[in-house]
Amino acid sequence: NAGVMQNPRHLVRRRGQEARLRCSPMKGHSHVYWYRQLPEEGLKFMVYLQKENIIDESGMPKERFSAEFPKEGPSILRIQQVVRGDSAAYFCASSRPGTGLNEQFFGPGTRLTVL
Amino acid sequence: GQSLEQPSEVTAVEGAIVQINCTYQTSGFYGLSWYQQHDGGAPTFLSYNALDGLEETGRFSSFLSRSDSYGYLLLQELQMKDSASYFCAVRDYNQGGKLIFGQGTELSVKP
Repeated sequence: NAGVMQNPRHLVRRRGQEARLRCSPMKGHSHVYWYRQLPEEGLKFMVYLQKENIIDESGMPKERFSAEFPKEGPSILRIQQVVRGDSAAYFCASSRPGTGLNEQFFGPGTRLTVL
Repeated sequence: GQSLEQPSEVTAVEGAIVQINCTYQTSGFYGLSWYQQHDGGAPTFLSYNALDGLEETGRFSSFLSRSDSYGYLLLQELQMKDSASYFCAVRDYNQGGKLIFGQGTELSVKP
């Protein structure tokens, strides 16, 4: 049973370009979360999605950032017109519904570097 | 809003016992979780407490006191491989499934 998969593992973009980060949850998991982590800091919640629905996007900047979890395929976190401050590790996590919400399984992360 | 406080770093020796404390403030507390992260890799789930008391899983135990808004992670028989960052995180029933993480405690285990 494969774990949470994220790709790419490392992504380099120049300022103004778009970054697209993908996350495939564990089999049977219908809840996906995206977190951002700066060096030496904790994980900051960005967005919580279920299939075809954004449940909570309170942690996501209003501009340039968007997320989706389509009926088929991985969840996508999209950052448009990236700036240097977007450089961070972006982690995706998934969980089962109900009591499964108490345990989130994390992917290996995507390290975004903006030049 | 929510906030969590935990020590930024702790040092201990192999074979010892170490306790990492976490205090939290949240409007609708649902449960306290602990995660381990090695060298910026994928955080891994260690434990979850929704009720007061101690939960034991092998060398790791986690404690919760809801009345004190306080919990701790207890690591026994420390091994070098336990050197990592440890994060407490709260679930708030007003916030659905998302987790709010503390800043993390860097544990260094010395020989």
